[in-house]
Amino acid sequence: GQQLNQSPQSMFIQEGEDVSMNCTSSSIFNTWLWYKQDPGEGPVLLIALYKAGELTSNGRLTAQFGITRKDSFLNISASIPSDVGIYFCAGQTGQGAQKLVFGQGTRLTINP
Amino acid sequence: AAGVIQSPRHLIKEKRETATLKCYPIPRHDTVYWYQQGPGQDPQFLISFYEKMQSDKGSIPDRFSAQQFSDYHSELNMSSLELGDSALYFCASSLAGGPEQFFGPGTRLTVL
Repeated sequence: GQQLNQSPQSMFIQEGEDVSMNCTSSSIFNTWLWYKQDPGEGPVLLIALYKAGELTSNGRLTAQFGITRKDSFLNISASIPSDVGIYFCAGQTGQGAQKLVFGQGTRLTINP
Repeated sequence: AAGVIQSPRHLIKEKRETATLKCYPIPRHDTVYWYQQGPGQDPQFLISFYEKMQSDKGSIPDRFSAQQFSDYHSELNMSSLELGDSALYFCASSLAGGPEQFFGPGTRLTVL
C-alpha cells in the first residue's frame, strides 16, 4: 500500500534553532498536509499544499510540495517551547472524501 | 470557532463487549472520516462518509460498522471487542469532501 517515509523520527534541539523535516513516497500525491499532535489530543492542521512546487507559510512554519509530487518538507524557524510535539505529514492521492495516508511522525523536543 | 466533537472522550470496555463512538462534525461540514491510532503510531484510516454515503474504506475490521446520519453526525459501532482494539479513535471532518481534514479530540478506548 501507499507509504510515507518521514524523517527524522525525533529531533532534540535548543530553543531558537530552526527545524526541518521531510516526507517522501514512491507514490504521487495530489495534496500534502502537515499536522501537529500533542499527547492525547487530535492532530491539528498546520499547512495544506495543493500544487507541485507550491511553497506556503504559516507564521514561523514553511512547507513545500515537491516538484515530483512525491515529497514535501516542513521548516520551523526560531523554535519556541510550544513547538514541542509530534509532527505528521499526510498525503491524499484521490479526490473527494478520500483517506489521508500519514507519515510515521517526527517527535520534536526543545531544550530551553 | 466550533470544532469536531467526539463522545465519549474515554471508554473502558471488557473483551467481547460492544462500543459506540459518536462524532459531530464542524457545522456545515458534510464529510466525516474515522481513524484509529495505536500507541506511538500514526493514524490509520478506517472509513469515510460524504453526504451520508460511504466514500472510502480502509482497514476496518468486519466487526466495526459506521454510518452518517441526516444531521451529518456519524457513529462508529464496534462489536466483539478485542484487546487489540484499545487505541485512540479520531473523527475528522471536511467540507464537500475537500482535502483539509479537521480532527476531533479523540475517544480513548481501553479494552480489558
